[in-house]
Amino acid sequence: KQEVTQIPAALSVPEGENLVLNCSFTDSAIYNLQWFRQDPGKGLTSLLLIQSSQREQTSGRLNASLDKSSGRSTLYIAASQPGDSATYLCAVGSGGYNKLIFGAGTRLAVHP
Amino acid sequence: EPEVTQTPSHQVTQMGQEVILRCVPISNHLYFYWYRQILGQKVEFLVSFYNNEISEKSEIFDDQFSVERPDGSNFTLKIRSTKLEDSAMYFCASTEAFGQEHEQYFGPGTRLTVT
Repeated sequence: KQEVTQIPAALSVPEGENLVLNCSFTDSAIYNLQWFRQDPGKGLTSLLLIQSSQREQTSGRLNASLDKSSGRSTLYIAASQPGDSATYLCAVGSGGYNKLIFGAGTRLAVHP
Repeated sequence: EPEVTQTPSHQVTQMGQEVILRCVPISNHLYFYWYRQILGQKVEFLVSFYNNEISEKSEIFDDQFSVERPDGSNFTLKIRSTKLEDSAMYFCASTEAFGQEHEQYFGPGTRLTVT
């Protein structure tokens, strides 16, 4: 059964820092991996999709890597801003119809 | 840009009542999903739906739950007799096709409160 773990659970940093959020999964037979942002009480905003055949994806200040064989993905946020404060969720596409299995998230607070 | 929509945004119901949560997936998408998130917990997969039938369901999706695509645009989740523990945010998602290059697009969610 696929399990997804995110470390750290929470992170508080000053503005301007470069951040690394970690995601690990137990079954390497995945279709893809999506990173989402969730603001309190709100829906899921898709940030990046990495296909299982890819190693990396970039969007603006965000860079996500995937090492399928070791069951790990990393989300790198460059030059963090207070507006980046949110919970970041990692989800792997798994199973027969590519259902997403989510981690518990990393709650990020960026203070001025 | 096309988006997944969900109605209502918030539903309050009494225990034992039936509720129907509605979703309009992106128009050319073929695969549909429901997920839920109990407050403070992980987002959990409930069910996937393709070609007018359930393709996969989780252990959460018991006989109290059902899904339907009643017409060419709507996708609904029905909870037959709600329990307090059904209180959660319910997300609908859709994707164009099956494969690694296709991401799932999520709606804004319906917050269900069972009293």
